[in-house]
Amino acid sequence: EIVMTQSPATLAVSQGERATLSCRASQSISGNLVWYQQKPGQAPRLLIYGASTRATGIPARFSGSGSGTEFTLTISSLQSEDFAVYYCQQHNDWPWTFGQGTRVDIK
Amino acid sequence: EVQLVQSGAEVKKPGESLKISCKGLGYTFSSYWIGWVRQMPGKGLEWMGIIHPGDPNIRYRPSFQGQVTISADRSISTAYLQWSSLKASDTAMYYCATVITVFGVVIPYWCKGTPVIVSS
Repeated sequence: EIVMTQSPATLAVSQGERATLSCRASQSISGNLVWYQQKPGQAPRLLIYGASTRATGIPARFSGSGSGTEFTLTISSLQSEDFAVYYCQQHNDWPWTFGQGTRVDIK
Repeated sequence: EVQLVQSGAEVKKPGESLKISCKGLGYTFSSYWIGWVRQMPGKGLEWMGIIHPGDPNIRYRPSFQGQVTISADRSISTAYLQWSSLKASDTAMYYCATVITVFGVVIPYWCKGTPVIVSS
């Protein structure tokens, strides 16, 4: 099973600042990675697919990059609605696996 | 527009059986993998298993093999997740999700989730 490791576990950021979230795969997954945002009581919301393509309706402040084993989600200027938990997930090999999540908190 | 519509919340007792459903709308249901994701209270996300309704080919995460049954009825574009004997530890939110390939790129779509509570 491919292990996805996200860092940091928690990130405290002020509104308007930049946030950089990392995701590492235990083996190469090419570009077969998605990023989700989840708020309490809600289903995960797709942000990025194919490692770097924003999903429909996702603001341009969200960007994804990387391939192989190292991936990054960047939020260029955090807004109040961006404080949430973020998950990466690989769909290169079954079982598809998620990282443990990064919580983005208000500083 | 792709939509996944799940069955409603369930409250069950340990030992009871349960089957929850997920209906796919707005796409060719039999052409794409659809599966189930578990989220236990306060925890992360886990794919449980996926099914390709057109084959049908079913894959389970090893930890769920033998614990649940995934099936699909392509005539009504509906996938199912079934337990024969629930445990308290099955209490969780269950999401169905499908992955649709567009020009070689995989795009997932999710439903809003079905909460399952198992308590005596």
